[in-house]
Amino acid sequence: NAGVTQTPKFRVLKTGQSMTLLCAQDMNHEYMYWYRQDPGMGLRLIHYSVGEGTTAKGEVPDGYNVSRLKKQNFLLGLESAAPSQTSVYFCASTGTSGENYEQYFGPGTRLTVT
Amino acid sequence: AQRVTQPEKLLSVFKGAPVELKCNYSYSGSPELFWYVQYSRQRLQLLLRHISRESIKGFTADLNKGETSFHLKKPFAQEEDSAMYYCALLPGTYKYIFGTGTRLKVLA
Repeated sequence: NAGVTQTPKFRVLKTGQSMTLLCAQDMNHEYMYWYRQDPGMGLRLIHYSVGEGTTAKGEVPDGYNVSRLKKQNFLLGLESAAPSQTSVYFCASTGTSGENYEQYFGPGTRLTVT
Repeated sequence: AQRVTQPEKLLSVFKGAPVELKCNYSYSGSPELFWYVQYSRQRLQLLLRHISRESIKGFTADLNKGETSFHLKKPFAQEEDSAMYYCALLPGTYKYIFGTGTRLKVLA
């Protein structure tokens, strides 16, 4: 099993450009998440999904959109990138079986907006 | 408000010295608490969770409901323990709350 994968690994955007980050998991997990990691700020939740076709806002959703059309995929979109969105983005997933609430993380996407 | 506080951004200790990474939480219910670790150039991974009361890589963490703390401890630090450590709270929903993280540096 590949676990949680993210594409791309690195990306440089100019202000105003758009892009989509793809997260995929092969563990049949119901819950998926997008976080951003910034120095001194820790991990902050952008959006999350509790199942196929559903999404919800996290702590810092402004400037981002998400979609979960398939259970295994969770897409994060930036419609008009801003320098404040320079960050490392992590996707994660969690199963709902038993009491195993462990989050499985992807390797991260390093995004720079100039 | 639900919150996780890790007061130290950086903790430096010498190899063989004891380590304690502090974590305090704010939550009125019965908490699910976790420690995640991120080694250099690797993804975050679960280190331990309070419900399993286990010891992983020599680390332990005890939930103290009176002090609302979940400090991570290890009696003898090793160089390979150098990493970023995050405390996380799962407050009854599937929306995790992470602390700001503590970078542990173990000096030779």
